[in-house]
Amino acid sequence: GAVVSQHPSRVICKSGTSVKIECRSLDFQATTMFWYRQFPKKSLMLMATSNEGSKATYEQGVEKDKFLINHASLTLSTLTVTSAHPEDSSFYICSAREGRTEAFFGQGTRLTVV
Amino acid sequence: RKEVEQDPGPFNVPEGATVAFNCTYSNSASQSFFWYRQDCRKEPKLLMSVYSSGNEDGRFTAQLNRASQYISLLIRDSKLSDSATYLCVVAGGTSYGKLTFGQGTILTVHP
Repeated sequence: GAVVSQHPSRVICKSGTSVKIECRSLDFQATTMFWYRQFPKKSLMLMATSNEGSKATYEQGVEKDKFLINHASLTLSTLTVTSAHPEDSSFYICSAREGRTEAFFGQGTRLTVV
Repeated sequence: RKEVEQDPGPFNVPEGATVAFNCTYSNSASQSFFWYRQDCRKEPKLLMSVYSSGNEDGRFTAQLNRASQYISLLIRDSKLSDSATYLCVVAGGTSYGKLTFGQGTILTVHP
């Protein structure tokens, strides 16, 4: 299957700092990338949908100035958590689709803000 | 009403059992349907797509009923390795359609 690479897999940062997470589609062109967060024992919650070359569409309740998404190319999208706080600690996962195919997921990033 | 709803579970079954998961979705315009599995602290992985004609992959059978907006997954001859959370996923019809996940159903297969 297609490969989506997410980096870093784990990050610990101090409160108030920013963290950037990268999501790359390695063998296909991702027309759409999605960013999710998942709390323990909960399902994935969509944060935003990112289309290459255009602004991301954020879900209701997700602060676009806090979670900056950039999808500058068909193979790379980034999520920057700005001014992170302990409540931002979560598992963040990206997924990518090419056209109408199924989505493939990155390995996820476990963010801990201390 | 949630966009995608699944059986709450959890399901605890012995090896060799047959187990069925159900899922309903609210958006009648949805066009793509999937079952993913997620192991603890790992990313979701596609198990199978779901088609109106029904589809089977080894011990797994998925079915879709568009009229009832209902999706099912049947697992026969359960293995210990089937223990995971199973996620029902629905997507819109355009290439930009977002994926909407059900809350997941936890399956534990015991010896």
